Amino acid sequence: DAKTTQPTSMDCAEGRAANLPCNHSTISGNEYVYWYRQIHSQGPQYIIHGLKNNETNEMASLIITEDRKSSTLILPHATLRDTAVYYCIVIPNAGGTSYGKLTFGQGTILTVHP
Amino acid sequence: DAGITQSPRYKITETGRQVTLMCHQTWSHSYMFWYRQDLGHGLRLIYYSAAADITDKGEVPDGYVVSRSKTENFPLTLESATRSQTSVYFCASSERRTGNYGYTFGSGTRLTVV
Repeated sequence: DAKTTQPTSMDCAEGRAANLPCNHSTISGNEYVYWYRQIHSQGPQYIIHGLKNNETNEMASLIITEDRKSSTLILPHATLRDTAVYYCIVIPNAGGTSYGKLTFGQGTILTVHP
Repeated sequence: DAGITQSPRYKITETGRQVTLMCHQTWSHSYMFWYRQDLGHGLRLIYYSAAADITDKGEVPDGYVVSRSKTENFPLTLESATRSQTSVYFCASSERRTGNYGYTFGSGTRLTVV
């Protein structure tokens, strides 16, 4: 499975956009990029996922580079409640031993300041 | 209420005791998972299940037993609890749909083995 690399921590001012990068240079053609977050003491929460097109939902936007080797999660107007650990995960679309299993790395600790 | 629930929320047990953590989901999702989370190790997959009566080992299965006799339940049993199994345990479920692994996690069970 493709591994991901994320910065250990980032800061963001409240009301500003938070841009969280993820490197997945060994991603293969059938692998999706998923983002989850975990607010302190809670279970991880699904945010967004994509294959090669940019995606947007009510929580965030996902920008995937054309070569698919990296992506950026964008929280357009960060609030204090967005302070959390953000995980970027790559997972195959179907088949193989990793099908259906999420493997969490260390993630990025995002701190949103007033 | 619809959702995924874990019980108990907190548990203290003694070394050598058997303890069972419960997980129940109301969506009839095919996939269910058990993760443990420890400081310094992040989230690690213990066991998962693709359907009723189908289970498989994850990254750290030793000392744990699971069963899935009904789609909605996925109990995790520690046969003889050890202090190293002190952790926060998260259950998750997901519907098997190509390209979509929008897992939903429970609130977690904080287990302390003394």
